[in-house]
Amino acid sequence: QVQLVQSGAEVKKPGASVKVSCKASGYTFTTYGISWVRQAPGQGLEWMGYISPYSGNTNYAQKFQGRVTMTTDTSTTTAYMELRSLRSDDTAMYYCARTTETFDYWGQGTLVTVSS
Amino acid sequence: QTVVTQEPSLTVSPGGTVTLTCASSTGAVTSGYSPNWFQQIPGQAPRPLIYSISNRHSWTPARFSGSLLGGKAALTLSGVQPEDEAEYYCLLYYGGARVFGGGTKLTVL
Repeated sequence: QVQLVQSGAEVKKPGASVKVSCKASGYTFTTYGISWVRQAPGQGLEWMGYISPYSGNTNYAQKFQGRVTMTTDTSTTTAYMELRSLRSDDTAMYYCARTTETFDYWGQGTLVTVSS
Repeated sequence: QTVVTQEPSLTVSPGGTVTLTCASSTGAVTSGYSPNWFQQIPGQAPRPLIYSISNRHSWTPARFSGSLLGGKAALTLSGVQPEDEAEYYCLLYYGGARVFGGGTKLTVL
């Protein structure tokens, strides 16, 4: 069965970086894209960007351009999302989602807390 | 800055019918925006319901249906059940970029 398993919760200081992983299984990794979505406490969903594991091509939301990098490792079928220069308003649950014309399978989420 | 707008909240009676809508600041929503709908219960990851306007996933109950209505994407729930009380989000595609709506909190009362 399709599964996306994300890395554990992180606590970071302002200005630091965080790298969240998303291990995919149960399907051919290079056939589907991976999107990253975040949700601040009590807030809505926010699309951060997309990566194609097949080509490595990325598409980032304008808000995160220059501060986010999405990568994949096809040998381990793992996607990564790195966010730099963290601020307190980056505190959120971060999700990965398998992507075609829909986001059909989601990871369980990774809570990133930014606090001094 | 593209904005996707949903009703902040709606209330429906059990067994009733309700329609949630999703509007784009760029103009009428068409098939090219490939509207998706998700349900989220507090503390859980979003659950996909509808893709490409009106296609249900294999796990989506038949009481959920998607359409285009008056220049917006729409999600209609018919025969609402108590377990349908949740937050609902639409997602629109903008030629590579995607934008979520702000969400609609649906109360079943």
